[in-house]
Amino acid sequence: LAKTTQPISMDSYEGQEVNITCSHNNIATNDYITWYQQFPSQGPRFIIQGYKTKVTNEVASLFIPADRKSSTLSLPRVSLSDTAVYYCLVGAYNTDKLIFGTGTRLQVFP
Amino acid sequence: DVKVTQSSRYLVKRTGEKVFLECVQDMDHENMFWYRQDPGLGLRLIYFSYDVKMKEKGDIPEGYSVSREKKERFSLILESASTNQTSMYLCASSPSGLTSGGHTDTQYFGPGTRLTVL
Repeated sequence: LAKTTQPISMDSYEGQEVNITCSHNNIATNDYITWYQQFPSQGPRFIIQGYKTKVTNEVASLFIPADRKSSTLSLPRVSLSDTAVYYCLVGAYNTDKLIFGTGTRLQVFP
Repeated sequence: DVKVTQSSRYLVKRTGEKVFLECVQDMDHENMFWYRQDPGLGLRLIYFSYDVKMKEKGDIPEGYSVSREKKERFSLILESASTNQTSMYLCASSPSGLTSGGHTDTQYFGPGTRLTVL
């Protein structure tokens, strides 16, 4: 199963765009890339998933270059409520297992 | 909305006790998972189940067992609790990836149970 590496923590201010990059050098052909968000005292929740190029939803955008060895989660105009831990995961084909790393702790300041 | 519930938010037990953590999901999902979360270590998979009475070991199964007698319910059992099992325990469920083109599907998490073993 592909391992992911992402920064331990990031700081930002309200209204800024935040980009969190994750590397997954040994991603397999059939693997999807998924990001989860976790607030304190809650379980993680799904944010976005993609396979290649760009995916956008109401919460975030996900950019995946052609070689798929990394991906970037983009949060537009963050607010204080975006303070959370963000996990990058690479899914394993046909096993239903996900491997969560330690995540990136995003702190948004006023 | 998918709902995953866990029997307790907080639990305090003594060393050597047998501990049951219960998880129930209401979306008829095939897969259910138990994770533990510790500071600096992220989420680590203990066990998962892809069908009733079926189970597979995750990354850290030692000291734990599981039971899935009904599709909606997945129990984590600590046969003899130890202090190093003090942690946040998270349950999750997902539909089978085998029915969604083979790739892993979204997991839905419960609120977690913070277990303290004294």
